[in-house]
This record gives sequence, structure tokens and C-alpha cells, in this order.
Amino acid sequence: QVQLVQSGAEVKKPGASVKISCKASGYTFTTNYMHWVRQAPGQGPEWMGLIIPSGGSTTYAQKLQGRVTMTMDTSTSTVYMELSSLRSEDTAVYYCARAIVRSYYIDYWGQGTLVTVSS
Amino acid sequence: DIQMTQSPSSLSASVGDRVTITCRASQGINNYLGWFQQKPGKAPRSLIYAASSLQSGVPSKFSGSGSGTDFTLTITSLQPEDFATYYCLQYKSSPYTFGQGTSLEIK
Repeated sequence: QVQLVQSGAEVKKPGASVKISCKASGYTFTTNYMHWVRQAPGQGPEWMGLIIPSGGSTTYAQKLQGRVTMTMDTSTSTVYMELSSLRSEDTAVYYCARAIVRSYYIDYWGQGTLVTVSS
Repeated sequence: DIQMTQSPSSLSASVGDRVTITCRASQGINNYLGWFQQKPGKAPRSLIYAASSLQSGVPSKFSGSGSGTDFTLTITSLQPEDFATYYCLQYKSSPYTFGQGTSLEIK
């Protein structure tokens, strides 16, 4: 069965960076795009970007350009999302979410990783 | 960016009812739309993709329709586990954007 297991909660100071992992299993890692979505407390979800594991190409939401980097390690079937220059507004639960093969449509979600940015 | 407007923002219904949630796009998105259910403290669950296709394992009580700018999610025979918040997401162009959500509450 498809599983996306994310790394644990993080507490960071403003200005720092955070790198979250998402380990995929139960399918062929390189055949499905992977999205990252975040959700601030009490707010709706916000799409951050996606990575195509078969080649590593990425698309980022323009508002995060320059601060977000999505990478992958095909040897461990893991995708990573790094967000730099953290501010309080980046406090959120971060999710990886797999897309249906040969499409962008999300089917499976990771369990989420809470990132708290606080001085 | 494409704006997605859901209505209503909240909805009260009873067990057994049929409800419809609407999502309107600020410009045409063909059928590049998904619907998600989210319960407090949990990751979203994918329900519908391509506006009307049911995700694997999702019961047929959930259905989606629409194309262009106007879309609906219909849930029939509401059960206690269906009370949650529902979001739409457009995939037509980056940045992909979510609706603000519809909170479905028990009457």
C-alpha cells in the first residue's frame, strides 16, 4: 500500500531554515509527481510546489520562490522540502502529497509535519 | 493567480441529508479540479479528481461535476463521519489554489 512518511516536528527561530523529508513506499517512486502543501493554524491549505522524481524538475509557487527548494533521493525514495529565511508566518503543518500517475492530481497525503517558527 | 471561491462557507445538515458544495473559479480551468475532505488534526483526504472522477476507495456517495468555472461536490445520505471541512483545488495553472473551505456541521 502507498505510504508517505514524513519527518518529525520542528521548532525554528526566525531566519533559520528547515528541511522536511517525505519517504515514499508501496509504489515506483519515479512514476508519480510529488506536491508540497502547507496549512497554517486555522487556515486552509496552501500549495507550495511540486517535484517530478523522474528527473528532479520543480515548480514552485511564486510567493515562495527563492526561499523554497524541493529535492529528492531516488535511492531512498525520499523527497525533501527546504524552506529558508523562516518567519512567524511560516508556522504551519507541511504535507507532502503524491499525484496520480501521469497527472498532477493528488491522491495520497503524508501525515504532516508541524513547523513552528518562534523566537 | 486563479481564485477559487467556495460556497457556502459553512453548512448545517442532518444525518441522512444530501448536500451540495459549490466551487467557482475566477477563470476557466477546464476540469482540472479536485475535492478534499479534512477532519481536525488530520491530513486531507482526496475524494475527487478531474472534477468528476472518484478517487480509489472513496464511496460513491461522493460525486463531483462541472467544467469551466463552476463545480459542485455532492454528498448523499450523510453519515456522522462525513461531517468535516471540504476544499476544492484547481490544477489548471501554477500556483495551484485551494478554495477557502466549507465546514459541514451536524444540525
